[in-house]
Amino acid sequence: ETGVTQTPRHLVMGMTNKKSLKCEQHLGHNAMYWYKQSAKKPLELMFVYSLEERVENNSVPSRFSPECPNSSHLFLHLHTLQPEDSALYLCASTKERAGGYEQYFGPGTRLTVT
Amino acid sequence: AQKITQTQPGMFVQEKEAVTLDCTYDTSDPSYGLFWYKQPSSGEMIFLIYQGSYDQQNATEGRYSLNFQKARKSANLVISASQLGDSAMYFCAMRVYNNNDMRFGAGTRLTVKP
Repeated sequence: ETGVTQTPRHLVMGMTNKKSLKCEQHLGHNAMYWYKQSAKKPLELMFVYSLEERVENNSVPSRFSPECPNSSHLFLHLHTLQPEDSALYLCASTKERAGGYEQYFGPGTRLTVT
Repeated sequence: AQKITQTQPGMFVQEKEAVTLDCTYDTSDPSYGLFWYKQPSSGEMIFLIYQGSYDQQNATEGRYSLNFQKARKSANLVISASQLGDSAMYFCAMRVYNNNDMRFGAGTRLTVKP
């Protein structure tokens, strides 16, 4: 148990659906991340929020829309997804500070787009 | 640009033996951190060990140690006295300190045989 929770753990949605993934941390961290993990591909960074402001968007399609209302919560809003978006979506958080640090990950949401 | 390479897609080790998982990296930035994560079949990414680019000694955490060879840009993970529960995917990652981007390698699947 790392202190980062994600809901739902599993999600099946059609291409016309709208759904949201939720991530929550109560570790006092001030940066949160969304990653996509597809089969046989390295972990891909999607979005970074530092102090609740988005600082990184690695050319993610607009059908993925992040929201960070406060330092403890992070959402990923999904709409009109494609089958190739099926993957494990991982949330992570870290406390930004000088020197060493690590990211704490949630258990992930296994998304299947039909 | 930062790059992480794990050249071993899969490794096998006998229970109670030691195993080394390889990781090489590439960056022109002198300040960076190197990380190893374990991902069991449940999907959660578990932080194992961290090494800073300026650290003089190799990092150790229990049965995990990081063989850091800065000139060769390698950061191999050594697991001593392997246990059946060590069977999982292992990811090497790097982050440059002035950048939010954490880059992950493709991973190595470790199987511990009884």
